[in-house]
Order: sequence, then C-alpha cells, then structure tokens
Amino acid sequence: GAVVSQHPSWVICKSGTSVKIECRSLDFQATTMFWYRQFPKQSLMLMATSNEGSKATYEQGVEKDKFLINHASLTLSTLTVTSAHPEDSSFYICSARVPGANVLTFGAGSRLTVL
Amino acid sequence: AQSVTQPDIHITVSEGASLELRCNYSYGATPYLFWYVQSPGQGLQLLLKYFSGDTLVQGIKGFEAEFKRSQSSFNLRKPSVHWSDAAEYFCAVGARLSSSKLTFGTGTRLQVTL
Repeated sequence: GAVVSQHPSWVICKSGTSVKIECRSLDFQATTMFWYRQFPKQSLMLMATSNEGSKATYEQGVEKDKFLINHASLTLSTLTVTSAHPEDSSFYICSARVPGANVLTFGAGSRLTVL
Repeated sequence: AQSVTQPDIHITVSEGASLELRCNYSYGATPYLFWYVQSPGQGLQLLLKYFSGDTLVQGIKGFEAEFKRSQSSFNLRKPSVHWSDAAEYFCAVGARLSSSKLTFGTGTRLQVTL
C-alpha cells in the first residue's frame, strides 16, 4: 500500500535554531502533500499545501516565513521551522493523496520540542 | 465553511462491549467523510470512508459507519471492542471536488477496560 514516511520522528532543538522535517512518499508520486500541526490532545490543523515545483499554499494565520515548505521532487516535501521557539513545539504530520484514490495517507508524525 | 463536531471527548468501554463514536458535520454539499484512528505518538490510519452509494460503510478492524444525511451524522460503530482499539479517533470531512483537504474534528479518546 501507499506509504508516507516522515523523518525525524522526534527532534529536540534549542530556541532560535531551525529544524527541517522531511516527508517522503515511498511507493508513489505525490504532486501535492499536506502539512498538519497537532497540539496535545487537540485535532489536526492544516498548515499548508505543498505543491511540487511551485510555492506552497498556506492556511490563514500560518506564518510563511516561519514555516518554510519546499516540494522539490514528486516524492519529497520538507518543512523547515525557522528560528524555532518553545511555542512551536508540536506534533507535525504530513500527508499525501494516493493517486487514483480520494484518500490521504499520513506519515507517522514528527514531534518537535523546542527548549 | 465545513466543520466537524465530535461531542464526546473521552469514552470508556469494557472489552467486548459495543462502541459508537459520534460525528456531526456541517457542509453545504454532499461531503466526503472519513474516520481515522491515531495511536499514541503515531500518525493517522484510515479506518473507513464514505463518498457515495450505500450509507453503511465497512472499514478495517471490524469498524463500520453510517452516513445519515438528515442528521448530518457519520457515527462510527464496532460490535465488540478489543483492548487494542484504545486510541484517538478522528472524524473528518472533505469537499467533494478536493477531498485531499480535510477538516478534522477534535477527536474522541477511547479507553478500553479489561
């Protein structure tokens, strides 16, 4: 089946540093990937839509300069949290639409802790 | 704008008992409806989906859900719960033409007692 892999699964960084999270579609090509953020005991909130070869589309209220998204190939999207602060600590989950099917496959998530 | 309401934040059931998790949605047209399950620290796994046709849909792990347009509901059910079903369950709705963009409910945490 379609698999989406995220790396790293968890990361701890110091405040002010930048962190990159990768999202890969392992056995299919994904022209579009989606990045979600999940706060503890809350639902997933869509942050942005990552489009291969073009700029990402950000949801209202999401800082484009804080959360940089790059979709350089049909199997890889990256989310970079720039100048991270403790309030950026969260669980970040990516997903991709399986070609030919109206379903999303989700990665296992990446837990970011900013000290 | 589309929205999803899961009125039950936390539910506890005994192993072997039946389960129903409630989901109500708000959407102007016929929606795409989904149920996902999330184990602690993990991503989401699709349990089942409804696009059209038979309003009772079967999913994995013995789950089923029924779409009731008149009630704007898509409740998840399982006849006999197993301890391994303990997890967080999310209902989601997507637009018919772009179901990749989902709106999630706040989730229901299921606890199973032995």
